[in-house]
Amino acid sequence: ETGVTQSPTHLIKTRGQQVTLRCSSQSGHNTVSWYQQALGQGPQFIFQYYREEENGRGNFPPRFSGLQFPNYSSELNVNALELDDSALYLCASSFRQGQETQYFGPGTRLLVL
Amino acid sequence: AQSVSQHNHHVILSEAASLELGCNYSYGGTVNLFWYVQYPGQHLQLLLKYFSGDPLVKGIKGFEAEFIKSKFSFNLRKPSVQWSDTAEYFCAVNRNGGATNKLIFGTGTLLAVQP
Repeated sequence: ETGVTQSPTHLIKTRGQQVTLRCSSQSGHNTVSWYQQALGQGPQFIFQYYREEENGRGNFPPRFSGLQFPNYSSELNVNALELDDSALYLCASSFRQGQETQYFGPGTRLLVL
Repeated sequence: AQSVSQHNHHVILSEAASLELGCNYSYGGTVNLFWYVQYPGQHLQLLLKYFSGDPLVKGIKGFEAEFIKSKFSFNLRKPSVQWSDTAEYFCAVNRNGGATNKLIFGTGTLLAVQP
């Protein structure tokens, strides 16, 4: 166990809806990264938050957005859901100083119908 | 473009067999290298990491990996696998000292160990 928690564990939505996924970082960590893992693929970087600011973004459209709160927990919001958004969404926390190892939560599995 | 290649998508071994999983990366500059493992029904866990120093790194559960800079490789090895090593293994890389601690993952290798 890493101490990174995510909620909910599973979610079913329909096309066009919006979804919010939540992540609590490991104690002492101030950076949260979000990844999308499609079936049979490796995780792909969505974005990272550090001190409540977006600190880098992968190749994802603007309908993917996020927040980080003062306690370093984070949300991932996806608007106008598409079928291809069905995936496991992973949150990872780290401490942004020097060499950083990311520790992953269990993920939220999203199914878009 | 930055990328990580894992050559073996599926590997089936018998218990006590030796394991080597290939990983090559394409990334400009100095890199940090990682192997993560995902056991069935569990979250991604760090197996081992290389930041600098001795290119042969040892991780948990008897795994080790060797960084060969000239070959852009970071292959994972274990001399004798167990049934409990059945899992999916991911190689990942990020830029050493980069402003964003973004991990680039390979597509993973699914290892099945037969008892």
